[in-house]
Amino acid sequence: GESVGLHLPTLSVQEGDNSIINCAYSNSASDYFIWYKQESGKGPQFIIDIRSNMDKRQGQRVTVLLNKTVKHLSLQIAATQPGDSAVYFCAENKNNFNKFYFGSGTKLNVKP
Amino acid sequence: KAGVTQTPRYLIKTRGQQVTLSCSPISGHRSVSWYQQTPGQGLQFLFEYFSETQRNKGNFPGRFSGRQFSNSRSEMNVSTLELGDSALYLCASSLGDRAEAFFGQGTRLTVV
Repeated sequence: GESVGLHLPTLSVQEGDNSIINCAYSNSASDYFIWYKQESGKGPQFIIDIRSNMDKRQGQRVTVLLNKTVKHLSLQIAATQPGDSAVYFCAENKNNFNKFYFGSGTKLNVKP
Repeated sequence: KAGVTQTPRYLIKTRGQQVTLSCSPISGHRSVSWYQQTPGQGLQFLFEYFSETQRNKGNFPGRFSGRQFSNSRSEMNVSTLELGDSALYLCASSLGDRAEAFFGQGTRLTVV
């Protein structure tokens, strides 16, 4: 299968700081990427997406950066809040309807 | 509007039995995807249905099957259960292709 991995399994940040979660993907044919947030006991929740014709996309307090040259994706969370504590997954799609390959996830701990 | 509903939430089965899980997508969503989530393998794509047709299938044995009804509700079935099938099974619905996917809370299956 596809290999979508994360560099850090756990990230601890202080409340108010910015967080950066990284993801490496292996398939250069992938052209659509999504970041999901999963809180304990819940299903993943869509955060932001980006297509391969873009390098950057911003949402509310979140920014996704895509570097196709090195096949790297990152999620930046500004002014991290305790409610941001969760596991974050990146997922990739290569123009194959809704079949996504998910990374292994990064757990974000926000310290008050 | 109602979210994705998965039933049952929890299930305990014995090895060799079979199980059927249900997913009701968001009203109007015609795409339903299923994922298996385990601590060791993470989120893995099982299959996707659209308008009662399976469009994609992941790398799972034939014991895993699914179907979709005319009202877009979907079921997945696992026959001859093995201990390794213990997992959280997640269903996601989407309005269209490569659109935001909404996940249910999942069904936690334990095989003993």
